[in-house]
Amino acid sequence: DARVTQTPRHKVTEMGQEVTMRCQPILGHNTVFWYRQTMMQGLELLAYFRNRAPLDDSGMPKDRFSAEMPDATLATLKIQPSEPRDSAVYFCASGSSGESYEQYFGPGTRLTVT
Amino acid sequence: GIQVEQSPPDLILQEGANSTLRCNFSDSVNNLQWFHQNPWGQLINLFYIPSGTKQNGRLSATTVATERYSLLYISSSQTTDSGVYFCAVERMDSNYQLIWGAGTKLIIKP
Repeated sequence: DARVTQTPRHKVTEMGQEVTMRCQPILGHNTVFWYRQTMMQGLELLAYFRNRAPLDDSGMPKDRFSAEMPDATLATLKIQPSEPRDSAVYFCASGSSGESYEQYFGPGTRLTVT
Repeated sequence: GIQVEQSPPDLILQEGANSTLRCNFSDSVNNLQWFHQNPWGQLINLFYIPSGTKQNGRLSATTVATERYSLLYISSSQTTDSGVYFCAVERMDSNYQLIWGAGTKLIIKP
């Protein structure tokens, strides 16, 4: 049963702390996306990678957010330092550019920054 | 940029009813997907349908690319169909980025 996994599922932290979210894309998928969802803004694309190379991170606040793919089975999104306005659900999605272009979403990480 | 509009924004139905959700987009697209976000927040792929018609059980979808719209049909609604339905499109020149509609919030009452 191929699916995108994300850890942690929930994270509560204090302002100023570092937060790291992890994503394991579906095996064989070469494109990974990070999204953020809030009630006010809906779904926003933060960054995405193809074959582990960053293609676009224009949606990300560069001063505090960073996204990497250390290997084909792991993508990370870090926030340092975290702020209350970062509270949101962060989704990872993966897809395969050689197939149907469908994106498959993980269960999300619900982040609360107090 | 491309605009994606979904209608209606909200829909409340009794169990067993049928419904049609609409997605209009303002430019040619490579890709169109329908997603269901359930009350627990999970985003589930329903259809990848840049054109044509597909069916999966009680759900079906039709995209008329030349007229820039897509329809999602839900027949014999069940309470588990409740949630938000999103349409997302990929522009022709976008290199795989999806543009999302605001969603249709569906509530199915028992």
